[in-house]
Amino acid sequence: QKEVEQNSGPLSVPEGAIASLNCTYSDRGSQSFFWYRQYSGKSPELIMFIYSNGDKEDGRFTAQLNKASQYVSLLIRDSQPSDSATYLCAVKLGAGFQKLVFGTGTRLLVSP
Amino acid sequence: EAQVTQNPRYLITVTGKKLTVTCSQNMNHEYMSWYRQDPGLGLRQIYYSMNVEVTDKGDVPEGYKVSRKEKRNFPLILESPSPNQTSLYFCASRPGQGYTGELFFGEGSRLTVL
Repeated sequence: QKEVEQNSGPLSVPEGAIASLNCTYSDRGSQSFFWYRQYSGKSPELIMFIYSNGDKEDGRFTAQLNKASQYVSLLIRDSQPSDSATYLCAVKLGAGFQKLVFGTGTRLLVSP
Repeated sequence: EAQVTQNPRYLITVTGKKLTVTCSQNMNHEYMSWYRQDPGLGLRQIYYSMNVEVTDKGDVPEGYKVSRKEKRNFPLILESPSPNQTSLYFCASRPGQGYTGELFFGEGSRLTVL
C-alpha cells in the first residue's frame, strides 16, 4: 500500500462546477496535511493545509479531513479554467518532523 | 524577496559527466530537501538536511550526493549521471524542528542525460 494515494485522473469538470479531489494515507499517526497545486513544468504551490478533523475553508477552496477514515479531500467551488492543474496531496507521516510524503497527484481539467 | 533559487534551470548532459545542481535559500531555513519528479511517480525525496553538516537519505538516494556546508546552500551532485536520472528536480526548504507548515520550493531544474 502506498503511503499517500490519489487518483491520477484526469478529473474533468465544467466551468462553475465543484471539483472534488481525494487522497488517502496509510499512517494513522499523521498530523499535518497539505494540498499543493502544480502547473505543468512549474513548482508546487501551497493551496491549503489542515491539521484537525473537519472542514477548513479558504475562498473557493475547502479542505476536509477525516482521520478515522484516513482521508483528506479538497473541494474547489466555482471551478475556473485557470484551476486546471495537477493537485498534490502531501502528508506529514507520523508524529515526527522529517517525512513529508507526496501523492502522485490528480490532474484536474476545467472546461469553459 | 524570500526565495529558493536553483541553477541551472535546464541542462542537457551526457552519461558520466559529473554535474552539480545548486540550491540556495535566503530565509535562514534549517531544513532543506531535494526531490525528483517523474510522470506517474510523483515527487520523491532524494536527500534532506536538518541543518549544517546534517544530511540523510530520502527514498531514492542512489546515484546522488549532497553536502550542507553552509545553511543557505544545499547542492545536489551527480557524480556519474545516467539516463535514468533524467527528471525534473526540485529543491525545497522550511524552518526547523517544530514547524508544521509548508515547504518552499525552488522553480525546478529539468535535467536530461543522454
